[in-house]
Amino acid sequence: GDSVTQMEGPVTLSEEAFLTINCTYTATGYPSLFWYVQYPGEGLQLLLKATKADDKGSNKGFEATYRKETTSFHLEKGSVQVSDSAVYFCALRIRTQGGSEKLVFGKGTKLTVNP
Amino acid sequence: DTGVSQNPRHKITKRGQNVTFRCDPISEHNRLYWYRQTLGQGPEFLTYFQNEAQLEKSRLLSDRFSAERPKGSFSTLEIQRTEQGDSAMYLCASSYPTTGKYEQYFGPGTRLTVT
Repeated sequence: GDSVTQMEGPVTLSEEAFLTINCTYTATGYPSLFWYVQYPGEGLQLLLKATKADDKGSNKGFEATYRKETTSFHLEKGSVQVSDSAVYFCALRIRTQGGSEKLVFGKGTKLTVNP
Repeated sequence: DTGVSQNPRHKITKRGQNVTFRCDPISEHNRLYWYRQTLGQGPEFLTYFQNEAQLEKSRLLSDRFSAERPKGSFSTLEIQRTEQGDSAMYLCASSYPTTGKYEQYFGPGTRLTVT
């Protein structure tokens, strides 16, 4: 079935370090791909998205490219800040045969950035 | 938009009791979703509404769970005869499928603790 596998955490970095969080997926067809972020005590917020192969989503210095050949959507940021400390979720959006839709999430990767 | 709201934010109940949660989606969003998130895991899809019609239910939604969206606006999720395994964060999301704006917006969640 459809699934998302993302890099297990926790990940601890120093401020200004480079960040990569790996995400690969298994899906039939061509799903849309998302990264969501969950700050402590808050709900999920959409960080970025990509809807087709080779699309690059970007927001707040984060980027991810939809790679169909490797079924991947890795999240990157060139220079992390303490305020980026959060849990990051990779997700794919699929349509079901019944005409509905849903998001399938990875388990999440907790990022801690130290000053 | 005022965002997706959920009430209550926290609920502690004793095993065997019934609980009901409410979700108010972003106004004019005709699609509404419920997810469950347990500690250390990503959200898992429970059910999906398009307007007032419930179009999809996950196998996770046992017969103790029921969701409604009577007028296509707010939704309720009821759990009967709660069990300790029901302890989780229950998330609601909404979306409106205009071009390029199909992403789901999440509420802050209701944290349920069953003692």
